[in-house]
Amino acid sequence: GEDVEQSLFLSVREGDSSVINCTYTDSSSTYLYWYKQEPGAGLQLLTYIFSNMDMKQDQRLTVLLNKKDKHLSLRIADTQTGDSAIYFCAESIGYSTLTFGKGTMLLVSP
Amino acid sequence: EPEVTQTPSHQVTQMGQEVILRCVPISNHLYFYWYRQILGQKVEFLVSFYNNEISEKSEIFDDQFSVERPDGSNFTLKIRSTKLEDSAMYFCASMKDYGYTFGSGTRLTVV
Repeated sequence: GEDVEQSLFLSVREGDSSVINCTYTDSSSTYLYWYKQEPGAGLQLLTYIFSNMDMKQDQRLTVLLNKKDKHLSLRIADTQTGDSAIYFCAESIGYSTLTFGKGTMLLVSP
Repeated sequence: EPEVTQTPSHQVTQMGQEVILRCVPISNHLYFYWYRQILGQKVEFLVSFYNNEISEKSEIFDDQFSVERPDGSNFTLKIRSTKLEDSAMYFCASMKDYGYTFGSGTRLTVV
């Protein structure tokens, strides 16, 4: 079945770049997503990428997709303390349901 | 920016009681979903709803769960007889053009 794996924890210093990695198993995945969850809050859609794209950039966020290796990454440039949160990778096939990873906790220290 | 609104934000209920979690999806979205997240675990799919009927449901969505879109704007999740293990954050989402928008969730605590 579908599975999405992420590393559980990442710690960086303010101003550094953060790279959060994700692997998925379903080669039929159509869209891949990154969501941010702050403590006690909901899931905020950061960005998504269609499976026929290699890269998508949106301000400080860069998403890279290696479809051959089924590897997705999210790079946050100039990481700020406000970026501290849990980041979820998710994938879907068409309009079907999202399958989430367990989330990567990003801790940004001053 | 349009939002998905969920109420209440937190609900405490006794085991065996019925609860109704409410959601107002984004008005021009066509697909609606409920997900849940047990503390410290993955976000799990419960059910999807399209064209006024369930389009897909997971193994978690057993007979004690039901969904309704009673008035064309609200989208509700009912749990008939709550169990301790139903304690979780429940997220509603709506979708158009592959962009899923989630609400801020209802934290359900069953005691």
